[in-house]
Amino acid sequence: QKEVEQDPGPLSVPEGAIVSLNCTYSNSAFQYFMWYRQYSRKGPELLMYTYSSGNKEDGRFTAQVDKSSKYISLFIRDSQPSDSATYLCAMSVGVSNFGNEKLTFGTGTRLTIIP
Amino acid sequence: NAGVTQTPKFQVLKTGQSMTLQCAQDMNHNSMYWYRQDPGMGLRLIYYSASEGTTDKGEVPNGYNVSRLNKREFSLRLESAAPSQTSVYFCASSEAFRSPLHFGNGTRLTVT
Repeated sequence: QKEVEQDPGPLSVPEGAIVSLNCTYSNSAFQYFMWYRQYSRKGPELLMYTYSSGNKEDGRFTAQVDKSSKYISLFIRDSQPSDSATYLCAMSVGVSNFGNEKLTFGTGTRLTIIP
Repeated sequence: NAGVTQTPKFQVLKTGQSMTLQCAQDMNHNSMYWYRQDPGMGLRLIYYSASEGTTDKGEVPNGYNVSRLNKREFSLRLESAAPSQTSVYFCASSEAFRSPLHFGNGTRLTVT
């Protein structure tokens, strides 16, 4: 079983819809949670960065962490065709002597927003 | 600012050939990384350099070597390419070893 599971999709939704992207994980030591967006033929770019549980909002994007269920979500409101991309979740442990060498990525969900 | 620049963008190698993938960042970041991305596998860490002068193995280091040439540059070398090394390779950097990663746009490598 992988430490981080992410539904690969593809997921297609009409423009303006609310999109929900999800990852589950098995390592209870994960403390830092990230969402990256990757356009076709480009490198991933950081979208959201959260620590521990709760919600974080940035414009049309909301990241949600439920540590009790080991489940994280990214919500996109008023989705636009420019949101069409692959979305990767990533997470790492919070132990002070570890850094990005412990960062674990999901496999990504391919999202298409239909005009 | 260019961010993280990778060269070349595309490469085709025959089995047994060698090559070096180049990476440079202009953000004065301390840490640099090499990942490979394969369908269904996600991003996997090959090697990293937490700070100038240090390098360490990641999850999948076999068949690769790295050099942290200076603070800006981190190269990845394939000494004897194998078809299993066909992948998209991403270089990344971060301000500190626990800071968010900034990625380049990748090198698409095919080994025949």
